Parts: sequence; structure tokens; C-alpha cells
Amino acid sequence: GAVVSQHPSRVICKSGTSVKIECRSLDFQATTMFWYRQFPKQSLMLMATSNEGSKATYEQGVEKDKFLINHASLTLSTLTVTSAHPEDSSFYICSAQAPGQGAHQPQHFGDGTRLSIL
Amino acid sequence: LAKTTQPISMDSYEGQEVNITCSHNNIATNDYITWYQQFPSQGPRFIIQGYKTKVTNEVASLFIPADRKSSTLSLPRVSLSDTAVYYCLVGPASGGSYIPTFGRGTSLIVHP
Repeated sequence: GAVVSQHPSRVICKSGTSVKIECRSLDFQATTMFWYRQFPKQSLMLMATSNEGSKATYEQGVEKDKFLINHASLTLSTLTVTSAHPEDSSFYICSAQAPGQGAHQPQHFGDGTRLSIL
Repeated sequence: LAKTTQPISMDSYEGQEVNITCSHNNIATNDYITWYQQFPSQGPRFIIQGYKTKVTNEVASLFIPADRKSSTLSLPRVSLSDTAVYYCLVGPASGGSYIPTFGRGTSLIVHP
């Protein structure tokens, strides 16, 4: 159980292209999803918290107009990198968290999306 | 938010027990401790979670002293496939806005 599917796994595209990444919780309903970015040899950096039916909460330094997040249902959140440039090349990872029922719910992660902007 | 500190790297050999300690001096009363494992080019994978004393599952044990200012992930009889980065996170059980914060993690290398 607790499977999170992230798609696509790899994207290579030209500068200026917008890229959409999907994150789906396959066997549970996720009221909260998180989006991270990870550069080589570094830790995961939280970009934003996505709650179903409301606007995402972005971390300091993350441009909300560049990284558009939509969490339209309890099983799907999308991250769109708009007008991507080479500096946006990174490993993007989503995670989903089931509604809390007393105990803290761990995060369940997707397998990440390797984004390469030429 | 409770900040975590872990050793940057550890080396071990196949068949040995590995203990990775995480310091979280500012842990709050309602914070849980969660450990994740990450392989290169993959998302992290949940290993174990606990609040106090000892928790054991099929892959690891988690030891938490009474003051909860640290925790130790114990991996019994590691194999080459346990080579990965291990992260500990602390966070609240419920309520409020949870902002998961990953530290640098511990890079474990298991040698033959």
C-alpha cells in the first residue's frame, strides 16, 4: 500500500518550454502533497506544500508564478515549471501524506523527475 | 522546527550492524521521529517511525532515549544494497502546519 506515482521520470527539453509533472497517490487519499527539489549531492529542499482544494504554500525563495502547483483532487497534484531555463534543471520529487488519524503520517514519495533544460 | 544533525557519512561491511544517530535537541512534545532511505535518482523511502523508547519492524530498529533529544537507527546485518543516504526528520503528530525539513542525511557505504 501507500504507493505514489510520479510522471514523467525524465524530461529533456529546450529552454523556454513549460513542463508539467504529475504526482498521484494510487491507493490512498492525500490531503497534503509536498514538492521538493534536489540538486546533485545535496539534500531535498522543500519547494511548496499542496493542500487539496486550496492554494499551495510556497517556501521562501520559490517563485509561485514559475512553479505552478495544482492539487485538484485527493489523489493528484501537478507541478508546472513555466518557461524553464537551464538553472531549473534538477531532480523534482513529490510526496503524499494521508490524513492524520492520531499518529503522525509518514510521507510516501514518488520516484522523482529528472528535468534537464538545454 | 526541530533541527536535526547526523553524521555526514559512515562506512561499514556486509553482515555488520550499523547504528546511525540523529540529534534533535529542540524536539517538541508532539513531534514524531521518522527515518527515510534514499537511493540515487529515486525518491526517499519510509523506513521507520517512533515517538519514544524502541520501535522495531522487519528492516530496522529505532531507539529513542527518555529525553528524546536524539534517536538511533539500527540496521542489522547490512548488505551492499543498504548503501544509501539516510535521513531523520522530526514533525508533529497532528495540527498546525507541518513543514518537513530534510537535513544533509548520512551517506552509508557498505563494503564487501
